[in-house]
Amino acid sequence: GQSLEQPSEVTAVEGAIVQINCTYQTSGFYGLSWYQQHDGGAPTFLSYNALDGLEETGRFSSFLSRSDSYGYLLLQELQMKDSASYFCAVGGATNKLIFGTGTLLAVQP
Amino acid sequence: EAQVTQNPRYLITVTGKKLTVTCSQNMNHEYMSWYRQDPGLGLRQIYYSMNVEVTDKGDVPEGYKVSRKEKRNFPLILESPSPNQTSLYFCASKSLNLDTQYFGPGTRLTVL
Repeated sequence: GQSLEQPSEVTAVEGAIVQINCTYQTSGFYGLSWYQQHDGGAPTFLSYNALDGLEETGRFSSFLSRSDSYGYLLLQELQMKDSASYFCAVGGATNKLIFGTGTLLAVQP
Repeated sequence: EAQVTQNPRYLITVTGKKLTVTCSQNMNHEYMSWYRQDPGLGLRQIYYSMNVEVTDKGDVPEGYKVSRKEKRNFPLILESPSPNQTSLYFCASKSLNLDTQYFGPGTRLTVL
C-alpha cells in the first residue's frame, strides 16, 4: 500500500532551525510536496520536489532523496507565525495524492 | 482574485438527509479534488477529477458522489449522510502540469 510517515509533533524556539522528516512508500512516485496549515485554516502549498536535491524558497527549503524514499522540510529563522501543522504529500502514477498525518510545529519564544 | 470557494462553510444535518457541498474555482484548473480531514488522520482524498466528465476514486470514496459537468465546479454529494462522515472537508484544484494545489476554506460538516 501507500503510506507516509512524519513526526506528530516538533517544538523549537524562535530564531532556530527545525527539520521535519517524511518517509514514504508509494507506487509510481512523481514528487513530494509540502503544505502548511494553521489551526482551522486551509492548507497552503510550500514546496515541491520531483528530483533529488534541495529546493530553497526563502526561509523554507525542501529536500528529496528518491533512492531513500525520504524527504524533509527545513525551516530557518523560525518565527512565531510558523507555528502550524506541516504535511508532506506524494503523487503517484494514478494521480491520487496521498498526505501524511501532519507534524504540529510549536514555536516557543 | 484566484480562489477556490466552498459552500456552505458550516453545516449541521441529520442522518440520511441528502446534502451537497459545492466547490468552484476560477483558475481554469483541470484537476479538482475533495479531501476530508479528521484528527490524527491527516487529509484523505475522497474523489478527484482530471477534467470535465472524468472522475476517479481517492482513498475514501465510500458514501460520497461527485460530478464534473463544468470545468469550474466539482460538487460533493452525500446521498445518505451518516455520523461517521462528520468531518472537515476541503476542495482543491490545480493545473495538470503544475504541482501547486490550491485549497478552499473548508466545510465543517456535522451529521447527527
